[in-house]
Amino acid sequence: DVKVTQSSRYLVKRTGEKVFLECVQDMDHENMFWYRQDPGLGLRLIYFSYDVKMKEKGDIPEGYSVSREKKERFSLILESASTNQTSMYLCASGTGTEEYFGPGTRLTVT
Amino acid sequence: GEDVEQSLFLSVREGDSSVINCTYTDSSSTYLYWYKQEPGAGLQLLTYIFSNMDMKQDQRLTVLLNKKDKHLSLRIADTQTGDSAIYFCAESITGGGNKLTFGTGTQLKVEL
Repeated sequence: DVKVTQSSRYLVKRTGEKVFLECVQDMDHENMFWYRQDPGLGLRLIYFSYDVKMKEKGDIPEGYSVSREKKERFSLILESASTNQTSMYLCASGTGTEEYFGPGTRLTVT
Repeated sequence: GEDVEQSLFLSVREGDSSVINCTYTDSSSTYLYWYKQEPGAGLQLLTYIFSNMDMKQDQRLTVLLNKKDKHLSLRIADTQTGDSAIYFCAESITGGGNKLTFGTGTQLKVEL
């Protein structure tokens, strides 16, 4: 079974803090993705990566950055958290045909 | 451009069939997907269909694709209470991995 894990299920941070969300996959997938999920908006792609040290902007990259130093790990960074970044963050990894999701991190910025 | 639309809610009785509909706008879609999300969980890949297919069946799930109308549906036979969840339709375009565009999700409620 494909396993995608995320470092935290729930996270509470203060405005202005730097936040790291970690994602690890164990299937040697080249593609990894970060989405955020908000009610009524579905999932929106923040950043994705097709290879180590490679990153591409998704549809809503503003306020975020990413890091992929190893194939199995893809990190999402909020440089200075703001209240409008309160959301559910979902990581995914995939083969180019199938994409598998982690359980999500619910981030609250106060 | 890419836009995927779904109705927000569907309510069915246990044992009936559920049909969840989705429309998409990008005619260059190569794969179309159905994901299921239970409360507090991530998305689970249910099934997907290649764009040159009309139908795909997998146990209680049937996917129908009408490429001319850009319409995708997911039929769940003999719907059970455990099928209550949010169902997301998604499309992908070739070129650069498998970037997905998701619909807003349909909340399926199964009543006894």
